[in-house]
Amino acid sequence: NAGVTQTPKFRVLKTGQSMTLLCAQDMNHEYMYWYRQDPGMGLRLIHYSVGEGTTAKGEVPDGYNVSRLKKQNFLLGLESAAPSQTSVYFCASSNLRRGLSLSSYEQYFGPGTRLTVT
Amino acid sequence: KNEVEQSPQNLTAQEGEFITINCSYSVGISALHWLQQHPGGGIVSLFMLSSGKKKHGRLIATINIQEKHSSLHITASHPRDSAVYICAALLFIQGAQKLVFGQGTRLTINP
Repeated sequence: NAGVTQTPKFRVLKTGQSMTLLCAQDMNHEYMYWYRQDPGMGLRLIHYSVGEGTTAKGEVPDGYNVSRLKKQNFLLGLESAAPSQTSVYFCASSNLRRGLSLSSYEQYFGPGTRLTVT
Repeated sequence: KNEVEQSPQNLTAQEGEFITINCSYSVGISALHWLQQHPGGGIVSLFMLSSGKKKHGRLIATINIQEKHSSLHITASHPRDSAVYICAALLFIQGAQKLVFGQGTRLTINP
């Protein structure tokens, strides 16, 4: 199993450009998440999805949109990139299995995408 | 004030030393997740625990729910343990599971 993969690994954008980050998981997980990581701030939740066709806002959703058309994929879009969106983006997935072992709720992370907006 | 606080923020030690990283949280949680972020950036799960203690190799995680505190210990530390260690509180909000992250502890083990 590849686990959680992210595409691309690196990207440089100019202010105002758009792009889509792709996250894919092959573990049949229900939950998927997009985080951003900035120096000194820890990981912050952008958007998340509890299943195919559903998305919800996290802590810092402004300037981003997401879609979960297929269970295994979670896309993060930047419609008009801004320098404040320079960050490392991580995708993660986990399962929803209430009543079972706590380890079922562990989140599995992708390798990250380093995005620079100039 | 962050809901999840880690200490210390940076820790440098010599190979072989016993390491302790602390995590305090101010919210009611379902469980606490310890993660390791390698120098290359990848994040891996170490433990998910809601009570007591868990051990994996040289790593030990403990949690005290009443005191809202968890610790990660590394015995016989090695330079390959150098990484950022992150604790995260697992919450269930409106039926969805979410993690609230601490800022991380950067650990450097010198040979």
